[in-house]
Amino acid sequence: QKEVEQNSGPLSVPEGAIASLNCTYSDRGSQSFFWYRQYSGKSPELIMFIYSNGDKEDGRFTAQLNKASQYVSLLIRDSQPSDSATYLCAVNMGNNFNKFYFGSGTKLNVKP
Amino acid sequence: DGGITQSPKYLFRKEGQNVTLSCEQNLNHDAMYWYRQDPGQGLRLIYYSQIVNDFQKGDIAEGYSVSREKKESFPLTVTSAQKNPTAFYLCASSTGRNQPQHFGDGTRLSIL
Repeated sequence: QKEVEQNSGPLSVPEGAIASLNCTYSDRGSQSFFWYRQYSGKSPELIMFIYSNGDKEDGRFTAQLNKASQYVSLLIRDSQPSDSATYLCAVNMGNNFNKFYFGSGTKLNVKP
Repeated sequence: DGGITQSPKYLFRKEGQNVTLSCEQNLNHDAMYWYRQDPGQGLRLIYYSQIVNDFQKGDIAEGYSVSREKKESFPLTVTSAQKNPTAFYLCASSTGRNQPQHFGDGTRLSIL
């Protein structure tokens, strides 16, 4: 059973703080990892993707990948109330062509 | 502007009725996907297509059917065999393996 697991939250952080979102996955052979943000009632939008071990930074967002421990995380620096949303982790697992497995998402609340 | 267009935004199904959800993309992407999202849940894959005239079942294909006659179009039919069709349906596309998937705005389906 291929699985992607996230803490459902809610994760509450004050405005300006760092929010840390975590995701673990079951398939050690996974090659690509994606973070999506989904506002209530809307479709997911791509935030970041990462393929290699280590950190990848894009503005206030940093994705961290540790393949040995099978986890990927997303850090949001200087969190803003507009960051309040559900964050979905997606992993391309197995040999199937670009088949993503999604976690159930972590709800983030940024308090003004 | 390039993107993925889903229609209608809201759809109501009567008992015993088949309904078709439209998905059109002008991104020139080869691969297209259909997902179902239930409240508080992650996305579950219904069907995907890598090329025209070819498609594969996802994890929850029962009660659904698709076609891929044109690169730009990947319609999903929710048949009367799908006994619990109420959900948020999302169409996505991507360029290829390990590449990000991009989503349309979704169709919300309810039972009358």
